[in-house]
Amino acid sequence: GMPVEQNPPALSLYEGADSGLRCNFSTTMKSVQWFQQNHRGRLITLFYLAQGTKENGRLKSTFNSKERYSTLHIKDAQLEDSGTYFCAAEDNYAQGLTFGLGTRVSVFP
Amino acid sequence: DPKIIQKPKYLVAVTGSEKILICEQYLGHNAMYWYRQSAKKPLEFMFSYSYQKLMDNQTASSRFQPQSSKKNHLDLQITALKPDDSATYFCASSQESWGAVYAEQFFGPGTRLTVL
Repeated sequence: GMPVEQNPPALSLYEGADSGLRCNFSTTMKSVQWFQQNHRGRLITLFYLAQGTKENGRLKSTFNSKERYSTLHIKDAQLEDSGTYFCAAEDNYAQGLTFGLGTRVSVFP
Repeated sequence: DPKIIQKPKYLVAVTGSEKILICEQYLGHNAMYWYRQSAKKPLEFMFSYSYQKLMDNQTASSRFQPQSSKKNHLDLQITALKPDDSATYFCASSQESWGAVYAEQFFGPGTRLTVL
């Protein structure tokens, strides 16, 4: 299977709703990064985690290397949260990041 | 000020031609990378360089050649262009330290290449 499996592929939310995205890894990863890709195609880093949990405003991310997953939680969704979200992980052998297929998030008023 | 510059922002080329994509980073990093995002495939890692030396090459085709003239430059030369090469090419950089395991990668704005 895919080294990085990201779910769901798409997510529709109303403003103010909470939801989460998840990435499962086929092997042990040493770090994970979460990105938001905006409508201009720019990759914006949301989080970089080697372990544990980080929060930034309405976003929260967790990475569990042992259990091979990472999550991104969006709280109180806003219109500007719309975009495609990617997780990307680095394994112990390669320097390059392996990306998930992305989650297209649409926030509606 | 942009910390990672990619030039040009948009590029249109004809099949069979050769183009060079420019990347410069002003983060003081010692490692640089190229990634590609096309309509048909997910974001995929292509190359990594550390201290101007090739560390990893995940690109099957020799038509793609990175070039590092300076520590903070990693250009990508693409020869014999094909329509399937149409994609957005992202440059990234990180600070790799001996003994350190983890390093966040910072991405440039990308160059969107269209091959006709």
